[in-house]
Amino acid sequence: GESVGLHLPTLSVQEGDNSIINCAYSNSASDYFIWYKQESGKGPQFIIDIRSNMDKRQGQRVTVLLNKTVKHLSLQIAATQPGDSAVYFCAEIGITGANSKLTFGKGITLSVRP
Amino acid sequence: GAVVSQHPSRVICKSGTSVKIECRSLDFQATTMFWYRQFPKQSLMLMATSNEGSKATYEQGVEKDKFLINHASLTLSTLTVTSAHPEDSSFYICSTRLYTDTQYFGPGTRLTVL
Repeated sequence: GESVGLHLPTLSVQEGDNSIINCAYSNSASDYFIWYKQESGKGPQFIIDIRSNMDKRQGQRVTVLLNKTVKHLSLQIAATQPGDSAVYFCAEIGITGANSKLTFGKGITLSVRP
Repeated sequence: GAVVSQHPSRVICKSGTSVKIECRSLDFQATTMFWYRQFPKQSLMLMATSNEGSKATYEQGVEKDKFLINHASLTLSTLTVTSAHPEDSSFYICSTRLYTDTQYFGPGTRLTVL
């Protein structure tokens, strides 16, 4: 079946460096994508989203890139800080609207070295 | 975003007992809420969609008689794990959906069944 998956289970970066977290999705009909951050013992926290009619969207210190040709999604975090250490999930919605459901990827752990 | 609370945050119970988890939408009226389950080091799996004033919609493989969902008001959905067993131990997370497709998550409830 269709799935959303991540390439790497863990990512270790130096504080101050930029982080890039990648995600591959297989449902070419997916219309909406979201990145969530989950800290240990807490619920997922919304970071940024992007719709399929866009290639790039920027937030505060974060940028999401969408490449529909190769079905690839990435999250870039500028000047990574210790507080960015968490598990990051990409999620996709194949059908938007009243019946929309999120499908989560496997998650990647971001570890920031001081 | 939406503000979602859950109660309790942590519960320990004996095998065979029932446990009720509450999910509240604090700042808007939610006609739809979602219940997820997350095992350690795994992603979130959707259990059911809770609709105010009607029966919940369960995902394939989720026993509706074991995981009772009630969404009696626009701000409260409850999940009752009936006759809990150790394999039901997990992190249960609810979410609400605003007018767009974005879901906002509660802080989660850690259930441990002895």
